[in-house]
Formats: sequence, structure tokens, C-alpha cells
Amino acid sequence: KAGVTQTPRYLIKTRGQQVTLSCSPISGHRSVSWYQQTPGQGLQFLFEYFSETQRNKGNFPGRFSGRQFSNSRSEMNVSTLELGDSALYLCASSRTTEARRNSPLHFGNGTRLTVT
Amino acid sequence: GESVGLHLPTLSVQEGDNSIINCAYSNSASDYFIWYKQESGKGPQFIIDIRSNMDKRQGQRVTVLLNKTVKHLSLQIAATQPGDSAVYFCAENQGAGTALIFGKGTTLSVSS
Repeated sequence: KAGVTQTPRYLIKTRGQQVTLSCSPISGHRSVSWYQQTPGQGLQFLFEYFSETQRNKGNFPGRFSGRQFSNSRSEMNVSTLELGDSALYLCASSRTTEARRNSPLHFGNGTRLTVT
Repeated sequence: GESVGLHLPTLSVQEGDNSIINCAYSNSASDYFIWYKQESGKGPQFIIDIRSNMDKRQGQRVTVLLNKTVKHLSLQIAATQPGDSAVYFCAENQGAGTALIFGKGTTLSVSS
């Protein structure tokens, strides 16, 4: 079974630009979550999507947004990039459903974003 | 603020030893806990999970212990191998779906 796939693996952008990251979850997983990982703040939750709806959102500014498609694939977008947005962005999928909400997240290998 | 933390940022062991990685959590309402392993250049890899109605769960070479009285979680790795060298994170779910709160991580170094 293929794991979570994230593209691209690396991105270099300049301040003020915007970026879109993609994530394909494990087949059959309907929940997709996004996390930001930095050396200083560690792993921080961005948002979670389930059945094309944002179900949960972390404490990030509105410049960070996401969406989920009908095939469960997800994208996240960061607009007006800042130097502090440089991080590893991780996507994770899970079997979480409405009835069963605690299920382990399975992570992809991330997209390394560098903002210069 | 940080609600899940680890007692030690680094742990060095010899191959074949048993390793114990500790984690303290602050929210008594947390009902689900997970341990992850992250190797350089990769995303976190699921190791084992435990629900709050259990106090111990075993996997292959790993055991997770949950002490709700003192809000403490530990991961025990038996017969540690060089391939176990990685950063280990504990994470808790405070009941908000899959919004896991992660600790800072413990770097495990295994020497042969």
C-alpha cells in the first residue's frame, strides 16, 4: 500500500510570493492533516480536512489555507510568504471517521520550504 | 503553550541495551497518545499508540506505559539497535479530533 505522498520535496521562494503544496493520502483515508515543523517550535498543527470540509484549525494566520478534493487529495497554500514560514510542511492521513475519531496519523516525508 | 514535553532532549545507549524515553503531558482530558519516530529527511513514523482506558500496550520490541495519575507516558525499546537511532516524539490528542499536540522530541543515539 502506498504511503502519503507529498510534492514537491523542496521549494525555494522569495518573500511576498505564494506557494501551493500537494498531498496524496493513503488509499481509503479520508482525513488529511497538515503540520509545520521547525527547529524552534517543533511540530505544530495547521488544519485538518475530512470529506472536503475543514474540521479543525490550528493557531496560524489566515495566510495559511488549505482544501481537500473529492478524492481526498489535499493542498495547502501560503500567501505573502515571510522568512519565518521556512519550515518542513508535513501532511498526514488517517482512517479517522465521524464514528472513530482517534486513529493514528501516517505522515509523508514533507515539503521543505525555504523562503529567502 | 506546550502541553506535551519530554524529560530529556537526548539519550545515548549501547546496542543491545533497553531504552526508555519519557514524556509528561499536562492535559488530564487527553484520551489518546501516540509515539512517533523521525529519521533524518523523513516524516514521523507511527510506532505505537495507547488510549486512556489502558495503562500498557506492547508492540514488537516496544512497550508504551501510561500513568494517568502523574500524567506520564513512556516508550520502552527492547534490545536497542543502531537502526533505532532517531528523534522520538510523543503526541497527545486532547479530544479535538486528530489535532495532535507534539512534544519537542528526544534524540536517541545508539552506539555499537
